[in-house]
Amino acid sequence: DIQMTQSPSSLSASVGDRVTITCRASQGIRNELGWYQQKPGKAPKRLISATSSLQSGVPSRFSGSGSGTEFTLTISSLQPEDFATYYCLQHNSYPWTFGQGTKVEIK
Amino acid sequence: QVQLVESGGGVVQPGTSLRLSCAASGFIFNSYGMHWVRQAPGKGLEWVALIWYDGNYKYYGDSVKGRFTISRDNSKNTLYLQMNSLRAEDTAVYYCGKDYYDSGIDYWGQGTLVTVSS
Repeated sequence: DIQMTQSPSSLSASVGDRVTITCRASQGIRNELGWYQQKPGKAPKRLISATSSLQSGVPSRFSGSGSGTEFTLTISSLQPEDFATYYCLQHNSYPWTFGQGTKVEIK
Repeated sequence: QVQLVESGGGVVQPGTSLRLSCAASGFIFNSYGMHWVRQAPGKGLEWVALIWYDGNYKYYGDSVKGRFTISRDNSKNTLYLQMNSLRAEDTAVYYCGKDYYDSGIDYWGQGTLVTVSS
C-alpha cells in the first residue's frame, strides 16, 4: 500500500500569511493526488484534483504542485474562512490513502 | 444538484452487523463509481471502499477487507455498506462519496455515525 506522509500536522498562521502543506508518497504516484478541506462537523470538500487542477468555485489563492512523490498545497494569502484541516488523497493505486491531515489554526 | 444522503448509522455491540445506505440524486448514478470514507472521532479520514459504476469491481481498505462489503442498486440510486464483525475501532462517521473518473471524490454526503460499544 502507498503511505502518504503529510506535514506539518498542524500550524498556526495569521490572516494574509502564505501557507504551505506537503504530502510525500512512499512510491511514485505520478500526478494522481488531490487536496481536500474539512471544517469541523462538515464533510470534506475537494479543492484540487490531479495535483494542480483547481475545482470550480475554489478561490485562486489555493494552488497545488508536485509530481512523483512530493506534492504541495499552497494558500497564497490566508483568509479567515481557510482555517480548517487539509488532507491529501492519492488515487494512483488501491487502496487509496489519505495523508494524516494538517490543521491550520489562527495565530 | 448532486445530493448524497447516508443513513443506517447507530449504536451496535461488538461482533454484530450493520448496513449503511447512501441515497443519491442529481446525477446519473449508474455512470459513476462510489466510495465510502470514514473518520473516527477526532481522527483523520480513512478510505474504506470503492465500487465501480456497474458493480463489477470493488476495492477495500486493509482494515475492513473481509468484514465489509460495498454494493449498489442502480435501479434505486442507492449505495450500501454491509459491515460485519464490527469492532470498537470501526466507530466513526461514515461518508459516501461520488467518484470522479477514478480521480478523486468530487461530492460527499453529510455522514452517518456508527458507534460500536458494549
